[in-house]
Amino acid sequence: GEDVEQSLFLSVREGDSSVINCTYTDSSSTYLYWYKQEPGAGLQLLTYIFSNMDMKQDQRLTVLLNKKDKHLSLRIADTQTGDSAIYFCAEGGYSTLTFGKGTMLLVSP
Amino acid sequence: NAGVTQTPKFRVLKTGQSMTLLCAQDMNHEYMYWYRQDPGMGLRLIHYSVGEGTTAKGEVPDGYNVSRLKKQNFLLGLESAAPSQTSVYFCASSYAANTEAFFGQGTRLTVV
Repeated sequence: GEDVEQSLFLSVREGDSSVINCTYTDSSSTYLYWYKQEPGAGLQLLTYIFSNMDMKQDQRLTVLLNKKDKHLSLRIADTQTGDSAIYFCAEGGYSTLTFGKGTMLLVSP
Repeated sequence: NAGVTQTPKFRVLKTGQSMTLLCAQDMNHEYMYWYRQDPGMGLRLIHYSVGEGTTAKGEVPDGYNVSRLKKQNFLLGLESAAPSQTSVYFCASSYAANTEAFFGQGTRLTVV
């Protein structure tokens, strides 16, 4: 079945780069997503990558996709305290999106 | 453009009581979903709908029922609330199965 795995916690210092990793199982996924959840709020789409792409860059965000290993990563450059949140990886399946458990990113000054 | 709106935002129930959570979307999306979020468990899909009049079970459907009588609304019902249903509930909608999902702000439910 479909499964999405993420590490649960990442701590970085302000100004460093953050890398959040994700593995997925459904090789037929068309899109792969990164969502951000701030405290007390719903999930908001951060970025996405189409399955035939290897990399996507959007300002401070870089998404890397390794289809062979079914590995997705999100790099945040120059991480700020406002980036502290939970980040969810999701794959677009046949009938629903499948989410990972989320990675809590803590940015310290 | 309101997007996805959930009501209520907070609720405390006693064990055995019933309630309905309402989700409304104004984006004309076919797909709608109900998730619950618990610490360390991520998001778990309860039920979903692929169009008006349809519903389907997700990963954790027991103890919940849903209805999609109108395309823009998706209702989640708890017939007899249990403490294990204490959680934050999120509704979401999307244009298609594998496209971006838009989330509501969540309903924090406590069952005592």
